[in-house]
Amino acid sequence: EVQLVESGGGLVQPGGSLRLSCAASGFTVSSNYMSWVRQAPGKGLEWVSVIYSGGSTYYADSVKGRFTISRDNSKNTLYLQMNSLRAEDTAVYYCARSNSGSGFDYWGQGTLVTVSS
Amino acid sequence: SYELTQPPSVSVSPGQTARITCSGDALPKQYAYWYQQKPGQAPVLVIYKDSERPSGIPERFSGSSSGTTVTLTISGVQAEDEADYYCQSADSSGTIRVFGGGTKLTVL
Repeated sequence: EVQLVESGGGLVQPGGSLRLSCAASGFTVSSNYMSWVRQAPGKGLEWVSVIYSGGSTYYADSVKGRFTISRDNSKNTLYLQMNSLRAEDTAVYYCARSNSGSGFDYWGQGTLVTVSS
Repeated sequence: SYELTQPPSVSVSPGQTARITCSGDALPKQYAYWYQQKPGQAPVLVIYKDSERPSGIPERFSGSSSGTTVTLTISGVQAEDEADYYCQSADSSGTIRVFGGGTKLTVL
């Protein structure tokens, strides 16, 4: 059974850093495209970043230069390192699996990040 | 930056057909996907590659594409279909994913 479990969310001050984790089971992270998608309170979905099976990474303009997506193949886990956090980064962060043409077919339950002083 | 445009809301009575549109300049070149999200839950993929339905998704959900517009159609709407629906695609390069603003489907 495919499962994605995010962790690492919490309260952080503006300008601070946080690392999110997404532990996968039932499939191999490194063989798939893996993304982070966020949703601010009461707002719509916003794609954040993707890492391809070959290792290429891409980011939304809103996080480029501040966030870094990565994976640990030995732990079958996806990460999102978030630096220079702003109030507008406050959101539930989901990890999601996708492949070319498949869409985001599996999602985690999400982890809440709150950026506030 | 690339944008996908959806109507904020659609309302239908039970048993009627709901149509939710999504427009974007790159849609003739990039596949579209549709997600259903109910309050407090993660999104669920209901249509992929414009018109394909994942296993487990009811047949009343269908998708179509015409030029720069894609459409999610829900035939014989049921009360349980009340949710937010998001379209998703990619920019012309295929590397930057984008979501539409979302459409709240209300079943009257």
